[in-house]
Amino acid sequence: NFMLTQPHSVSESPGKTVTISCTRSSGSIASNYVQWYQQRPGSSPTTVIYEDNQRPSGVPDRFSGSIDSSSNSASLTISGLKTEDEADYYCQSYDSSNHWVFGGGTKLTVL
Amino acid sequence: QVTLKESGPVLVKPTETLTLTCTVSGFSLSNARMGVSWIRQPPGKALEWLAHIFSNDEKSYSTSLKSRLTISKDTSKSQVVLTMTNMDPVDTATYYCARTRGVVAPFDIWGQGTMVTVSS
Repeated sequence: NFMLTQPHSVSESPGKTVTISCTRSSGSIASNYVQWYQQRPGSSPTTVIYEDNQRPSGVPDRFSGSIDSSSNSASLTISGLKTEDEADYYCQSYDSSNHWVFGGGTKLTVL
Repeated sequence: QVTLKESGPVLVKPTETLTLTCTVSGFSLSNARMGVSWIRQPPGKALEWLAHIFSNDEKSYSTSLKSRLTISKDTSKSQVVLTMTNMDPVDTATYYCARTRGVVAPFDIWGQGTMVTVSS
């Protein structure tokens, strides 16, 4: 099995751009899709990016996803930050044994 | 409208067995590629995937918790049940059920979660 490592926290000002990384410990990041979830306090997670870089309907195009094979990591980028973007963000992937894996989560503060 | 709703005890004692039920609506558990996972989140901590049941009744379990978990479904009742044996205070968490349309797909619909506290 592999692990997904995220920074514990990031912070940025409104209107700016922030990127959250998700590094896979073993195996290629490109082998399996990465999904990203947003979780606001007291709420269930919701999908903001799926299949590495696809946005569900209703998610603003300020949210984008990418993968970088050189660093074996996925990234979630949020541009034009709004205070409503303040939340915890989780990356998630899966392995060949049908096991799902979540990253440790990143707390985004918009100040 | 697709919904999932978790139910079960709020409080369990150490060593007891936890049984949680996820009742789904708006889709059938027998639909091809539809599956339901259980995911938990201790207070202030990260999400942890526990178990999954596929539409064909195939099951998958977290390697670290496999010996304690059993997942099953009753398609006629639209319910997915998770049992976890030998509960410990470290198992205190919010337990979510979530739907996915396959391993490569995201968890597109989540339940509201149910908080379970393990304490004597």
